Amino acid sequence: DAKTTQPPSMDCAEGRAANLPCNHSTISGNEYVYWYRQIHSQGPQYIIHGLKNNETNEMASLIITEDRKSSTLILPHATLRDTAVYYCIVKGSGGSEKLVFGKGTKLTVNP
Amino acid sequence: DAGVIQSPRHEVTEMGQEVTLRCKPISGHDYLFWYRQTMMRGLELLIYFNNNVPIDDSGMPEDRFSAKMPNASFSTLKIQPSEPRDSAVYFCASRRTGGPGTDTQYFGPGTRLTVL
Repeated sequence: DAKTTQPPSMDCAEGRAANLPCNHSTISGNEYVYWYRQIHSQGPQYIIHGLKNNETNEMASLIITEDRKSSTLILPHATLRDTAVYYCIVKGSGGSEKLVFGKGTKLTVNP
Repeated sequence: DAGVIQSPRHEVTEMGQEVTLRCKPISGHDYLFWYRQTMMRGLELLIYFNNNVPIDDSGMPEDRFSAKMPNASFSTLKIQPSEPRDSAVYFCASRRTGGPGTDTQYFGPGTRLTVL
């Protein structure tokens, strides 16, 4: 079972920032937060991950709260091509390699 | 670099036939994963390999499904006999061993299987 909770859908205007929330209140100390997205009919694509510090790469930023019970993925300037299902996944290092994909958030970027 | 390669991209078959899906992982990756995605169940892990050895096959639905990895650059997922409820998109993914937080998996484009 997924250890995360995400809203089922969100809308965003093109060019604006998209902020996708994720709750992971049962996260343990050695578990990372991973974000993947799946554009229609394609395989999931890795976006970013973090442990407790905020992270930024060329695709997005990840903000993790101090208590680590929630996080927000930020797409700073959303484009139509960012329309996808976004999955927030919690996984520890070591042990099972299983990624548990929940239902994710369907983000629709509108022109 | 080439990503994960899957073939065929689409497969239509009749109930009772054998189906073989193929995957070539990214060179240098020592983990390989097979996932299945349906509307009802979402994306679920079927089995994964490490260094060509099956590690966890608890997600394989039943004995009709089998997976092999004869070498580091090739894996197959076989369904025999196939049933209409096996219709789904099957994804292969790979990753390399690394330190903590390096669990990023790279997914292939998937094989869309339709069993009539």
